[in-house]
Amino acid sequence: AQSVTQLDSQVPVFEEAPVELRCNYSSSVSVYLFWYVQYPNQGLQLLLKYLSGSTLVKGINGFEAEFNKSQTSFHLRKPSVHISDTAEYFCAVSDQTGANNLFFGTGTRLTVIP
Amino acid sequence: DGGITQSPKYLFRKEGQNVTLSCEQNLNHDAMYWYRQDPGQGLRLIYYSQIVNDFQKGDIAEGYSVSREKKESFPLTVTSAQKNPTAFYLCASSMSRGQGYEQYFGPGTRLTVT
Repeated sequence: AQSVTQLDSQVPVFEEAPVELRCNYSSSVSVYLFWYVQYPNQGLQLLLKYLSGSTLVKGINGFEAEFNKSQTSFHLRKPSVHISDTAEYFCAVSDQTGANNLFFGTGTRLTVIP
Repeated sequence: DGGITQSPKYLFRKEGQNVTLSCEQNLNHDAMYWYRQDPGQGLRLIYYSQIVNDFQKGDIAEGYSVSREKKESFPLTVTSAQKNPTAFYLCASSMSRGQGYEQYFGPGTRLTVT
């Protein structure tokens, strides 16, 4: 079975500062990795995903993430945040055995301070 | 525009009543999913369906039921057996239950049971 740990439940950061949201996973098989964003009272939107290939993945809205197999991590980064980035961010994994079920972390609330 | 619609956005029910949440997609996706979201717990899978007339239980299926009579529709019934039904419910779909396909999410239904 897979599990996902998002160590920081809340991350406050000043506007135009860099941010890193941490995600670690546990799995006995190879996985695919995803980051989703959720704005208040809305559904989830995919930011980026890692399936294979380059370990540095670029997504929408200037976000990127790096897959580190040895550390079982998939941290999300943005070099300069905007007020509009204030939202909940979820890391998720699915295994490569043919199923497509996602296992989600508990989320990180990013608050950008003007 | 293609997408997933969930209705209604807010739903109020008395304890002991069954309630059905609607989910419709026009993306021509084969697979559909229902998740429950509670504060601080991320998303948990209730049911999923790969094809019409077939569905499987997820991690927290007790007290819920689904049907998949049409490819574009996957309604969720919250029964009176569900002990704590108040939550935010999200429907999703993906092209296939194959490997690594992105899940697209609807806007969600917030259910309050009193």
